[in-house]
Amino acid sequence: DAMVIQNPRYQVTQFGKPVTLSCSQTLNHNVMYWYQQKSSQAPKLLFHYYDKDFNNEADTPDNFQSRRPNTSFCFLDIRSPGLGDTAMYLCATSRVGYTGELFFGEGSRLTVL
Amino acid sequence: AQSVTQLGSHVSVSEGALVLLRCNYSSSVPPYLFWYVQYPNQGLQLLLKYTTGATLVKGINGFEAEFKKSETSFHLTKPSAHMSDAAEYFCAVSRDQAGTALIFGKGTTLSVSS
Repeated sequence: DAMVIQNPRYQVTQFGKPVTLSCSQTLNHNVMYWYQQKSSQAPKLLFHYYDKDFNNEADTPDNFQSRRPNTSFCFLDIRSPGLGDTAMYLCATSRVGYTGELFFGEGSRLTVL
Repeated sequence: AQSVTQLGSHVSVSEGALVLLRCNYSSSVPPYLFWYVQYPNQGLQLLLKYTTGATLVKGINGFEAEFKKSETSFHLTKPSAHMSDAAEYFCAVSRDQAGTALIFGKGTTLSVSS
């Protein structure tokens, strides 16, 4: 049974057209993460939530926003996607006290044309 | 700042051969180290981790890794490769000891031939 579910799995959008990616979890974990993974590169942390506390990475572009309306759901909003935002976006969850044990979804592959 | 270097983006072995995937890290604090595996069309899955204690850690599917502080290494090994081990493997270091952020390497793709 999938525990971290990402939708859509594949998304194609036009340059500058806003896009939203969603992540839901059935694990009741209090930490949720968004990673960006470009081709042949390491997954890069964009931001994470510790419960409702939002933690943005210093080098995450302002174009990227996130919402977490409740424990189960987290959204990644890209306000004006550029060609360089073409990537796999990975959602993950973890529990406090379980150091580094992240549970990942299958990812959302975004293509910006 | 913490960082991870995985040596070799692609490793090929024969079924039954030893698997060795290399990972070196840089950390300003005592490191917490991890290996994750990603099978095709699936999410990343924790394979094993080192936080404190025994430096040789065992994970799922017969994999193990040894933390060597003097070499700043955390190489992943498996004595005998199986076809089902074909996947991408990521080494990661925790940015802090709370473990709330992992820094990943670029990954190594393991191919296993019969």
